[in-house]
Amino acid sequence: AQSVTQLDSHVSVSEGTPVLLRCNYSSSYSPSLFWYVQHPNKGLQLLLKYTSAATLVKGINGFEAEFKKSETSFHLTKPSAHMSDAAEYFCVVSELGTYKYIFGTGTRLKVLA
Amino acid sequence: GAGVSQSPSNKVTEKGKDVELRCDPISGHTALYWYRQSLGQGLEFLIYFQGNSAPDKSGLPSDRFSAERTGGSVSTLTIQRTQQEDSAVYLCASSLTSGRSTDTQYFGPGTRLTVL
Repeated sequence: AQSVTQLDSHVSVSEGTPVLLRCNYSSSYSPSLFWYVQHPNKGLQLLLKYTSAATLVKGINGFEAEFKKSETSFHLTKPSAHMSDAAEYFCVVSELGTYKYIFGTGTRLKVLA
Repeated sequence: GAGVSQSPSNKVTEKGKDVELRCDPISGHTALYWYRQSLGQGLEFLIYFQGNSAPDKSGLPSDRFSAERTGGSVSTLTIQRTQQEDSAVYLCASSLTSGRSTDTQYFGPGTRLTVL
């Protein structure tokens, strides 16, 4: 069975410092992995996705994530946080042959001025 | 272009009443999904439509929940005899093709349901 674990429920960083949001997954087959962002009272917006091509995936707004099969991880990073990055971030796994998204519990990112 | 839209954005109802939540997917998207986002349970899959058919209803929490899709487009999620535990944000998503794991699902803004 597939599952995803977001290791931190809350992360606080200062503006201009790097962001690291951690995600580990469990999947029996080749997974597709996604990161979505949800701003307050807004819908989910896709940041980036991995679908078995390049293991380093670049997304919108300067975010990127690296698929590491040996570590079953898909951590989200950004070199320099901006105030507008404050939001909740969801890591999602979808297993080959299925369409169902399995969501992590989310990480709330706070950016301090 | 237009994204996924949902209506109403907020719905307050009394326990025991029926509610209907509407989703308009992105034009041309054949797959449609409903999810529920609640404080205790996180984001849960409810149902998947391929065209007008629902091959996977496994996430519907009880027989009080039902959904339909007409014309391969608009979908309605109906909750009968609402209970307080139904209070949540109901999210709709659509994707271009018919439910592959690599598909990107595009989400609407959600309907916040409050059952008093």
